Amino acid sequence: NAGVTQTPKFQVLKTGQSMTLQCAQDMNHEYMSWYRQDPGMGLRLIHYSVGAGITDQGEVPNGYNVSRSTTEDFPLRLLSAAPSQTSVYFCASRDGTGRQPQHFGDGTRLSIL
Amino acid sequence: GEDVEQSLFLSVREGDSSVINCTYTDSSSTYLYWYKQEPGAGLQLLTYIFSNMDMKQDQRLTVLLNKKDKHLSLRIADTQTGDSAIYFCAETGNTGFQKLVFGTGTRLLVSP
Repeated sequence: NAGVTQTPKFQVLKTGQSMTLQCAQDMNHEYMSWYRQDPGMGLRLIHYSVGAGITDQGEVPNGYNVSRSTTEDFPLRLLSAAPSQTSVYFCASRDGTGRQPQHFGDGTRLSIL
Repeated sequence: GEDVEQSLFLSVREGDSSVINCTYTDSSSTYLYWYKQEPGAGLQLLTYIFSNMDMKQDQRLTVLLNKKDKHLSLRIADTQTGDSAIYFCAETGNTGFQKLVFGTGTRLLVSP
């Protein structure tokens, strides 16, 4: 019963490097999303997807790309990392009805030097 | 726009009750949630309340919702040191269920 799995748990990058944060869920949830958590600001929505092949921007999408080729996976890509992207990233999923709460992964702690 | 506000800190003694407060601006919110985050961990759903309810109780947790004042509270009875964490209030906002709008979190410190 894995739920939402995020990898890696920790990552350090240099400015300008690219990387992909992985997120997978085994609950057949239609809806998946990415948030970033910064001190004193709560969680802010980066991108979300309501189903395979469908993605949309959230509150803070700049500098990030997403794709949703399968129901299970929702990777987040940083094309050219910047120090402002140092944060803790959370992936979440829920079913399509909206009546059940979102399930969160354990997070990826990302530092950009 | 949507906004959710919480106080930043709360300190209580073990055995006391804790009350964490949250105010929100979007009256169309359908669900309101409380999440708990322990140090270095992800978000754990504690409880949630549907907007047509005034109160929900689950063991030591009591959620009160005042829709008129757009005020949500979480009461933890007999607070334990293991309850020390950051507590986030979140609402579904006016986008239906497309996203959650989070408060900044309240750090609860329980001292022995």
